[in-house]
Amino acid sequence: QLQLQESGPGLVKPSETLSLTCTVSGGSIRTSSYYWGWIRQPPGKGLEWIGSIYYSGSTFYNPSLKSRVTTSVDTSKNQFSLKLTSLTAADTAVYYCARQDIVLIPAAMGRWFDPWGQGTLVTVSS
Amino acid sequence: EIVMTQSPATLSVSPGERATLSCRASQSVSSNLAWYQQKPGQTPRLLIYGASTRATGIPARFSGSGSGTEFTLTISSLQSEDFAVYYCQQYNNWPRALTFGGGTKVEIK
Repeated sequence: QLQLQESGPGLVKPSETLSLTCTVSGGSIRTSSYYWGWIRQPPGKGLEWIGSIYYSGSTFYNPSLKSRVTTSVDTSKNQFSLKLTSLTAADTAVYYCARQDIVLIPAAMGRWFDPWGQGTLVTVSS
Repeated sequence: EIVMTQSPATLSVSPGERATLSCRASQSVSSNLAWYQQKPGQTPRLLIYGASTRATGIPARFSGSGSGTEFTLTISSLQSEDFAVYYCQQYNNWPRALTFGGGTKVEIK
């Protein structure tokens, strides 16, 4: 059964860069059938898609975060990563990684997320 | 950006009763809509995709309907484990942005 696990610091200072890694087990990240995504959830609030990446390195970002987001993939380690720069308190959230279903015909399209990692709380504070 | 609006924000239902949750899109998303369930302190779980297809292992009491801009998630007979927050998500706007609704909390009446 596929499992995803986020890792990274729980506390980051304002203006700094957040780096998170998602380790995938029970399956290969090197698959043409899925993207790998990041979603966040501020405490007590709803869900926000951050971005997604294909095993080949193709990336897709939420336009509202695009200027601050970078994702990467390391197929040798079965991991993908997120970097978010210029942090503010508004970036405090639980960050989830998830597998994203895709369809490739007639055009590539990212769809729903399943399964999700258990999430990691990131607090932005000095 | 396609805005997803869920209503009501909170739904109070007695166990065994039917629950009907609504999700409205600011523009048509065809049938490109998913529903998730999130229990307190837990990760979201996929319930429905393609507006009406149940994900693997999801009980038949969960059903989804709708297309275009109006969608409904129905729980036919609420069980104790169904009290949670439910989110809809559109994926019609790829690759511009995926967006989620604000959620509906289903609580015990």
